[in-house]
Amino acid sequence: GAGVSQSPSNKVTEKGKDVELRCDPISGHTALYWYRQRLGQGLEFLIYFQGNSAPDKSGLPSDRFSAERTGESVSTLTIQRTQQEDSAVYLCASSPRGLAGSNEQFFGPGTRLTVL
Amino acid sequence: AQTVTQSQPEMSVQEAETVTLSCTYDTSENNYYLFWYKQPPSRQMILVIRQEAYKQQNATENRFSVNFQKAAKSFSLKISDSQLGDTAMYFCAFTGPNSGYALNFGKGTSLLVTP
Repeated sequence: GAGVSQSPSNKVTEKGKDVELRCDPISGHTALYWYRQRLGQGLEFLIYFQGNSAPDKSGLPSDRFSAERTGESVSTLTIQRTQQEDSAVYLCASSPRGLAGSNEQFFGPGTRLTVL
Repeated sequence: AQTVTQSQPEMSVQEAETVTLSCTYDTSENNYYLFWYKQPPSRQMILVIRQEAYKQQNATENRFSVNFQKAAKSFSLKISDSQLGDTAMYFCAFTGPNSGYALNFGKGTSLLVTP
């Protein structure tokens, strides 16, 4: 079946512009996660959705970052007034369930964001 | 807060040989899960192996196995009969109920398999 998809694959933007990154999880997966991976680094957790609600936004680095999820499906991560330090690969993952049981996360291919 | 430490930024191994990647973690939780993910240059994160903390038996998946030492909070990955396709970044990750099952990753180990 189809895996997690993300769009765009690559995004180049100018400092100060807003960007929207999209994630389509595997159908039926209730949990959805956003991570950021800076060059040469591990993944940093940003936000977690269980259904359409976000019980954990603790990883969002500033109020310029926000995310929403609708219909227990698509999620968008929005970065306002982008800064050069926002340049990274943004990875989305989904899981059949969040709080219960073991939690294998299936990752999308990521969006590489470059802020000039 | 949980932390995951991978002390080997880079490693190399010859084809067909065995290599062990180390990982330690810190947590106050009792029920948790540990993972090794592989990230090739395509940047697709691929699950290699998973270990439930309540299981004493070490997980094994074909050429990949772990040495899980719960008391020492150690979770190393052994790759046997290394293949050129194993060349990738390897990330150790921890998850548990206190974090909503979000993954906490180490900084990764870059593994190069040479002919």
